[in-house]
Amino acid sequence: EAQVTQNPRYLITVTGKKLTVTCSQNMNHEYMSWYRQDPGLGLRQIYYSMNVEVTDKGDVPEGYKVSRKEKRNFPLILESPSPNQTSLYFCASSLSGRYNEQFFGPGTRLTVL
Amino acid sequence: KNEVEQSPQNLTAQEGEFITINCSYSVGISALHWLQQHPGGGIVSLFMLSSGKKKHGRLIATINIQEKHSSLHITASHPRDSAVYICAVLGLNFGNEKLTFGTGTRLTIIP
Repeated sequence: EAQVTQNPRYLITVTGKKLTVTCSQNMNHEYMSWYRQDPGLGLRQIYYSMNVEVTDKGDVPEGYKVSRKEKRNFPLILESPSPNQTSLYFCASSLSGRYNEQFFGPGTRLTVL
Repeated sequence: KNEVEQSPQNLTAQEGEFITINCSYSVGISALHWLQQHPGGGIVSLFMLSSGKKKHGRLIATINIQEKHSSLHITASHPRDSAVYICAVLGLNFGNEKLTFGTGTRLTIIP
């Protein structure tokens, strides 16, 4: 089944404890992206990747890192999480970005205490 | 002022009604996406438009690039259409693949 998977789905952690949210797609998509969703602010793009080893900032990249070493995986890294990073995170992928529909993962609800 | 504005923010309608959700944007764009977010939180892509009109089942999406406006229509609405509908725009600059989102329209269809 074609899908985007994220792990974990739920995570409660404490300020400063490094964490990684994994994202994987099995559709051989070139484009992958991370978003966060907050009440009243909607979805905002954190980082995106057009292909392996190519990443670029979205609107809210501060406090996050990403890497794209393999086509299928696009992990989101929070080196030192803070409470303002408490949010619902979505990973998405598409065939080649610009003119293709995006496929979204199920979301990861992160709480930073 | 946000780059992408949706209206209305909330919409409640009776089953069977014709629904229109609007999206206006203030910058030049190359494409616009309509997304549906289910009550459980999952997000599904409905349409990607760069011009004209697209139809899928009871859903129709239109875009007017000159007027910087897009509409999503639902014909013969059904309670299962209850969801948050989100538009997102992609800028003109090739190589800049940032998406900017509206804050969504919450649609509730009453049986």
